[in-house]
Amino acid sequence: GEDVEQSLFLSVREGDSSVINCTYTDSSSTYLYWYKQEPGAGLQLLTYIFSNMDMKQDQRLTVLLNKKDKHLSLRIADTQTGDSAIYFCAESIGGASKIIFGSGTRLSIRP
Amino acid sequence: EAGVVQSPRYKIIEKKQPVAFWCNPISGHNTLYWYRQNLGQGPELLIRYENEEAVDDSQLPKDRFSAERLKGVDSTLKIQPAELGDSAVYLCASSYRTGYYNEQFFGPGTRLTVL
Repeated sequence: GEDVEQSLFLSVREGDSSVINCTYTDSSSTYLYWYKQEPGAGLQLLTYIFSNMDMKQDQRLTVLLNKKDKHLSLRIADTQTGDSAIYFCAESIGGASKIIFGSGTRLSIRP
Repeated sequence: EAGVVQSPRYKIIEKKQPVAFWCNPISGHNTLYWYRQNLGQGPELLIRYENEEAVDDSQLPKDRFSAERLKGVDSTLKIQPAELGDSAVYLCASSYRTGYYNEQFFGPGTRLTVL
């Protein structure tokens, strides 16, 4: 069935890199997304990657995609306190009109 | 430009009472979504509209949930009667098109507590 899995928690020191991992199930997914949710707010699209790409870099964010293993990761360089949030991995299903979200990874920053 | 607007932000009701949520999507967005987000989980789709038409309501518990999107703009989601297990955050999202790239813009959600 359709399932997106993520680890629930990640704690990193301020200034270090954060790496959030995700596995998905639909090999036909055309787009994979990373959304960020801050407390009391809705989800905000951070970045996305098209399925024919291996990597995408956008300022401090790097997305790596391993289609063979159906593994997606998000690396945040120089992690700041403002990066504290829940990060959701999501895959497109059935022509991208439907998106399936993982359970989210809560990122906390240590001083 | 205003984002997706939802009201109310919080709602506390007793079980068996009805409740309604309202959503105003971003102007020009033809696709509207209602999601339910349980504590510690990701959003789960309840219903998707393309303009006025509900094109995917397979996850909507139709015995107690209903939704409408009159005139293809605003939408309301109703629960009647509410049950304890309905406590969750109800998120509305909208997008411009449902081609292969689908950036959904989310509202802040309505946090429902059923006592």
